[in-house]
Amino acid sequence: AQSVTQLDSQVPVFEEAPVELRCNYSSSVSVYLFWYVQYPNQGLQLLLKYLSGSTLVKGINGFEAEFNKSQTSFHLRKPSVHISDTAEYFCAVSDQEYGNKLVFGAGTILRVKS
Amino acid sequence: EPEVTQTPSHQVTQMGQEVILRCVPISNHLYFYWYRQILGQKVEFLVSFYNNEISEKSEIFDDQFSVERPDGSNFTLKIRSTKLEDSAMYFCASSEGQGDGYTFGSGTRLTVV
Repeated sequence: AQSVTQLDSQVPVFEEAPVELRCNYSSSVSVYLFWYVQYPNQGLQLLLKYLSGSTLVKGINGFEAEFNKSQTSFHLRKPSVHISDTAEYFCAVSDQEYGNKLVFGAGTILRVKS
Repeated sequence: EPEVTQTPSHQVTQMGQEVILRCVPISNHLYFYWYRQILGQKVEFLVSFYNNEISEKSEIFDDQFSVERPDGSNFTLKIRSTKLEDSAMYFCASSEGQGDGYTFGSGTRLTVV
C-alpha cells in the first residue's frame, strides 16, 4: 500500500524567509501527488497537484513543488513566507494501482514568526 | 468558486446513538468520499462512492458505517451506534474524475460523550 512520509512535524521560520516542507512517498509506477493546507478550524484546501507533465508545479499563494521520481519526493517550497502562511500542510498521494483514494502524510505545521 | 458543504459543523452525541453527517458535493462531480481526522492524527480514508455504490472502503469502515446518496445532491455518512473512538473531524470530498484533486468540505467535528 502507498505511504507518505512528511519528515518534519513542525517548521518554524521567520517572515520573508524561504521554506521547504519535505514529503516522500513509497514508490509506484504511476502516482498523483497533492499538497493541501489546513488553516485552524477549517477544512483542507488544495494548494497544488502533480498529475503528469512538468515536474515543477506551481500552486496558489506562491507555493510550488517539484516531483522527483528517482527520489520519490514531492517537496513544497515558497521563496518568501508570510505570517498568513501559518497553517498545517499535508502531502497526499493516490495511484491507480491502489484505487482512487488519497493517502495522507502526518502533516507539517508551518509557524511563521515576525 | 464551487464548494463542498457539510452540516452540521459540530455535533455532540451520546455513546450508542446514531448520527448522520451530511454533505452536498459539487454538482458536476462524480466521485464522493468521506475521510476522518482524529485529533492529532493523520487524515484517514473511510470510503469512496461512485455511480451510486461504494467503490472502495477502508478497514475503518465497518458495519456501523454506511453511506447514501438519497437524492441528486446530498451525500450522507451514517454511524449506527457511536463509540467514544468515533470522535473526530469528518471530511466529505468530491472530485470530477479519478486522479483529480479533491475538493474538501470544512468538516463536521463529531464528539461522542
